[in-house]
Amino acid sequence: ETGVTQSPTHLIKTRGQQVTLRCSSQSGHNTVSWYQQALGQGPQFIFQYYREEENGRGNFPPRFSGLQFPNYSSELNVNALELDDSALYLCASSHDREEKLFFGSGTQLSVL
Amino acid sequence: GEDVEQSLFLSVREGDSSVINCTYTDSSSTYLYWYKQEPGAGLQLLTYIFSNMDMKQDQRLTVLLNKKDKHLSLRIADTQTGDSAIYFCAEGGSGGSYIPTFGRGTSLIVHP
Repeated sequence: ETGVTQSPTHLIKTRGQQVTLRCSSQSGHNTVSWYQQALGQGPQFIFQYYREEENGRGNFPPRFSGLQFPNYSSELNVNALELDDSALYLCASSHDREEKLFFGSGTQLSVL
Repeated sequence: GEDVEQSLFLSVREGDSSVINCTYTDSSSTYLYWYKQEPGAGLQLLTYIFSNMDMKQDQRLTVLLNKKDKHLSLRIADTQTGDSAIYFCAEGGSGGSYIPTFGRGTSLIVHP
């Protein structure tokens, strides 16, 4: 059974640029949730995708957008990067929006 | 205020028991979770408890839930240096949405 994988592991961007982060869900999972974890904080919910549709969104501006593909992998896109977007971005997958989420190791994004 | 609150640090000696406490605000939460995060890694689901339970035991882990006071605790028996990590409490399941809301995490330091 393959776990949740995220790419890239680390990324450095400059303010104003755009970034795309990728996530492959665990085998058999059709739900992907994205979280932002700033240094010293708990993960903050960005949005969730279930069967290619957005299924819930946290308090993040529209420049945070996402996609889920037919194979249930997912992308997180962030436009017009700001310094405060520097964080660890975590992807988690689950089956049919169930209560157990399985997390990847995250993408560490640094915005300079 | 925060939806989920935890103390930030706990220091124990190897072999002792650790107790990490958490309070939450949403009385309609269906599930209460404990996740573990080691340095440079994503979150690992340790255990979770359904809101109609008072206690759950899983090997060295004991979860206690006081629903009246909205208080959750995680006890780790015979704490080992490998247990050093950040432990996150989370609530979820309100309104049928199993999207966990996380606290800021408790950093557990285990001394030899």
